[in-house]
Amino acid sequence: GENVEQHPSTLSVQEGDSAVIKCTYSDSASNYFPWYKQELGKRPQLIIDIRSNVGEKKDQRIAVTLNKTAKHFSLHITETQPEDSAVYFCASAHTGGFKTIFGAGTRLFVKA
Amino acid sequence: NAGVTQTPKFQVLKTGQSMTLQCAQDMNHNSMYWYRQDPGMGLRLIYYSASEGTTDKGEVPNGYNVSRLNKREFSLRLESAAPSQTSVYFCASSELTWGDREQYFGPGTRLTVT
Repeated sequence: GENVEQHPSTLSVQEGDSAVIKCTYSDSASNYFPWYKQELGKRPQLIIDIRSNVGEKKDQRIAVTLNKTAKHFSLHITETQPEDSAVYFCASAHTGGFKTIFGAGTRLFVKA
Repeated sequence: NAGVTQTPKFQVLKTGQSMTLQCAQDMNHNSMYWYRQDPGMGLRLIYYSASEGTTDKGEVPNGYNVSRLNKREFSLRLESAAPSQTSVYFCASSELTWGDREQYFGPGTRLTVT
């Protein structure tokens, strides 16, 4: 079935360093790849997304890259800050369907 | 706008008891979803409703039923709760257009089954 694998499960970085989270998807029809951030005790919220017609998208300190051939996509956070500490979920979907498949999540710790 | 609301926030059940989790959205979205979140397993889809009047099974539907009461409301029912259903449950809604596929989540319900 459809599957999204996410690595690493836990990531600890020093404040100011970069963090990279990687995901792999299985469904070749997927063409929409969102990233959600979930702070402790809160609901997941969309932080950035990318569609299959582009290879990279940036929003301030956050960037996503997509390699459709390899079925890989990644989240890059630069100049990390303590408030970036959270669980991050990657996901995949295709615009013809109704379901979004989520990865297992990455717990990011940013040490001050 | 309240967005997506869920009740209750917390619930403790004994094995075999039943309960219904309520969800409502005020964004006029067509699609609604129920997920469960367990440590290390991400968000797993239980059931979804693509539009008013339709419901479909997701990845982990066993032990649950749903009702799309109207466009705003989508409820999740546990007929006979089991300890394996201890989890945090999130409802979500989405418009699902090319330009907007964001899922908007409710605050969650933390359910413990003893």
